[in-house]
Amino acid sequence: DTAVSQTPKYLVTQMGNDKSIKCEQNLGHDTMYWYKQDSKKFLKIMFSYNNKELIINETVPNRFSPKSPDKAHLNLHINSLELGDSAVYFCASSRTGSGYTFGSGTRLTVV
Amino acid sequence: KNEVEQSPQNLTAQEGEFITINCSYSVGISALHWLQQHPGGGIVSLFMLSSGKKKHGRLIATINIQEKHSSLHITASHPRDSAVYICAVRSGYGGSQGNLIFGKGTKLSVKP
Repeated sequence: DTAVSQTPKYLVTQMGNDKSIKCEQNLGHDTMYWYKQDSKKFLKIMFSYNNKELIINETVPNRFSPKSPDKAHLNLHINSLELGDSAVYFCASSRTGSGYTFGSGTRLTVV
Repeated sequence: KNEVEQSPQNLTAQEGEFITINCSYSVGISALHWLQQHPGGGIVSLFMLSSGKKKHGRLIATINIQEKHSSLHITASHPRDSAVYICAVRSGYGGSQGNLIFGKGTKLSVKP
């Protein structure tokens, strides 16, 4: 059983489109995250959400929005995709006092 | 200057060598994590530290809170250890508590 699963693994789309990436965790963790890894392999937090509080990195454009239907899911919606959005997006989850578990990543390519 | 600095950026070793990767940070933290990212892209959590030392197999991680420094050691390195090793700290303060701040990673290549 995959602990944190993301879909799709690869996503190729045209500029201007709207797309979503789904994330589910079956670990019972209370906090979920979205991270972006750029072309230089540098990881940066985008959002964290623990069903009480959404914390948004102030550098994230408002074209990006997280949606959490329940504690086990945190989906990422991206509107009006731009070339610069091309990256690998990682979902992760954690519980207070424990380590993080990462999904396998979604490679987004905007053409 | 990044809040989390790693050294070296790249490291090539011969199989069997003892390897050390260093991480320094400049913010208050509640924990420090060492992560491993293989060429396939997946990220695996190796250690979470808030003090002292932890060991798992051939991997050892240490942290000195006063000096704001951590090291990851690999004993008897093997080609399968080839990966990017990422240091990340969890902020201890404010609304961003729980979020990770990442170093830029150390790319390790172990030659047979």
